[in-house]
Amino acid sequence: GENVEQHPSTLSVQEGDSAVIKCTYSDSASNYFPWYKQELGKRPQLIIDIRSNVGEKKDQRIAVTLNKTAKHFSLHITETQPEDSAVYFCAASMNTGFQKLVFGTGTRLLVSP
Amino acid sequence: ETGVTQTPRHLVMGMTNKKSLKCEQHLGHNAMYWYKQSAKKPLELMFVYNFKEQTENNSVPSRFSPECPNSSHLFLHLHTLQPEDSALYLCASSQAPGRTTQETQYFGPGTRLLVL
Repeated sequence: GENVEQHPSTLSVQEGDSAVIKCTYSDSASNYFPWYKQELGKRPQLIIDIRSNVGEKKDQRIAVTLNKTAKHFSLHITETQPEDSAVYFCAASMNTGFQKLVFGTGTRLLVSP
Repeated sequence: ETGVTQTPRHLVMGMTNKKSLKCEQHLGHNAMYWYKQSAKKPLELMFVYNFKEQTENNSVPSRFSPECPNSSHLFLHLHTLQPEDSALYLCASSQAPGRTTQETQYFGPGTRLLVL
């Protein structure tokens, strides 16, 4: 089955710096890669996703890149703000007739003012 | 609260108790999911329902029993749980994925479960 690894487990940056979180996946059939943000005590919320027919996607300060050959994808946050502090999860999924997301272990991002 | 709701938000139960978790989605979706979130572990998919039919049971112990009476409601019945079952249980919903498409999953706030 699919296995997703995520690094780093914790990341501390100064406000205004960039943050990069990396994930690798094992199954080349995976074709959908969402990123979720989970603030303390709150539900995971989708912040961006990418499908395997696209190499990069950007939404304001957030971007995701996908390298299908190497089977890794990354989340890039620019101009970080304290409200970006949260746990970020990557996930991978393939078409199997139903949607089975396999999640990474999460990255705790701390943005210091 | 709109979107995906879950009740109760917190639950403490003994190992011999029977309880149920409830999830309701107001998004018009037709697929629903149960996940378990434990400390320092990835979110683990437990069950998937598409159009009220269970399509995945991810090797979950029988002390967890799901029920999906319609596309808007999902239950997780709990009985004779163990302390290691203590976790945050999250419900999610989405449109049912097509043959070549994947759909965004929207999560509920979760039920924080403590088994004593």
